[in-house]
Parts: sequence; C-alpha cells; structure tokens
Amino acid sequence: KNQVEQSPQSLIILEGKNCTLQCNYTVSPFSNLRWYKQDTGRGPVSLTIMTFSENTKSNGRYTATLDADTKQSSLHITASQLSDSASYICVVSASNDYKLSFGAGTTVTVRA
Amino acid sequence: GAVVSQHPSRVICKSGTSVKIECRSLDFQATTMFWYRQFPKQSLMLMATSNEGSKATYEQGVEKDKFLINHASLTLSTLTVTSAHPEDSSFYICSARRQGSTGELFFGEGSRLTVL
Repeated sequence: KNQVEQSPQSLIILEGKNCTLQCNYTVSPFSNLRWYKQDTGRGPVSLTIMTFSENTKSNGRYTATLDADTKQSSLHITASQLSDSASYICVVSASNDYKLSFGAGTTVTVRA
Repeated sequence: GAVVSQHPSRVICKSGTSVKIECRSLDFQATTMFWYRQFPKQSLMLMATSNEGSKATYEQGVEKDKFLINHASLTLSTLTVTSAHPEDSSFYICSARRQGSTGELFFGEGSRLTVL
C-alpha cells in the first residue's frame, strides 16, 4: 500500500477560482513533506518543502499546510490561472533513511 | 535556483540498441541522484538510487543489468537502457539531492525514450 495518498485524483476548476488538494501519509518517522508541480512532459518543480515544525508555507498563490499529528497536508491554490493546469505531487521523506515516498498526484485542469 | 540538466530530452531508437541518458547537477554537488520512470498519467516510479563512487541501489523489480547506472562524479549520473525494447519506451526523470538539513531535491526536465 502506498504510504502517500493524494486526493482527489483529478479536478477541473474555472479560472479565478480556488481549490485545495489533499495529501495523507503514513511515513514514519517523518522528516519533511514537499509539494511539486509537474507540467505535462516536464520534470517536477518544487513548490514548497515543510518540516515537522512548520504548519503553513506559501509560495505565491500556492499555500501548503501540514498537520504532523494527523499526518495530513493540503495545497491550496488561490485565484487559479490557466498555467496552474498540471499534476501536483506530494512527496514525503522519512528521517531514518531519507527515502522518498511519492503520491500518485492530483491532476488539476483550469478552464477559462 | 539549483538546476539539474538531463540530456537528451528526447530520443528515438531501434529495438535492440542501447541508449544513455545523462543527469547533471549544474551548480551544486550531488552525492545522491535518483532515477525515475513515469508512464502516461501516472506518478513517478523510483527505479534506483545512485551514489557517487559506489554501486547504485535498485528498487525491487528493476533489472540492474537492463538499466545500468553510473555515478562517476559529484555532478553527473548516467542511466543506460541496454538492448532497449518497445516496452522500455517511457519518460525517464532524474533528481539530485542538495546536501543540507532538508536535503532539498531538484528534478531534471526528463527524457522521453521511444523505442521502435
């Protein structure tokens, strides 16, 4: 079973609207959680990286939250733009061996 | 920001030939690099972890004789797909870990392999 579960699998939103992506994990012991954006046919690009002590981190219109107690993270996209259409991947790192666990990603489609 | 470069970005080859993909960290040293494979509409699948100066660690189910990995320097790792077949056609991505407390990870742009 995958140690990182993302939801929804995909979503479609209208330009200008907000959306929230979820990431639940069972990786333990926890080191950090990262959100990446991957455009089709490109490599992933880092959006945020959060450690145990961080609850919220923003990068422009992207805001990530982390609840290490419930092992949940979210990525909120504000005022979506067409360029936000991409796959968003949650990656969790274990502190004992730094091995990375990847979520299956959420595909976001922003329509005009 | 840190940059990881992959080359080539696209390659088409005949069945039975070998293909080499390079992954370079351009402005930092990476003692650890990772190689992934990604099928359409699926997430990245880790193939192997490449450590500078030592043998790569392969994930279960990945044939080490099929996918040869060499990490000869702190800025370069190569993946060679030997005797490629059409089922090896995929998107191959590398990443490099920057040394630090969080071990930030940077991805290359990926290499699209098509085996005819």
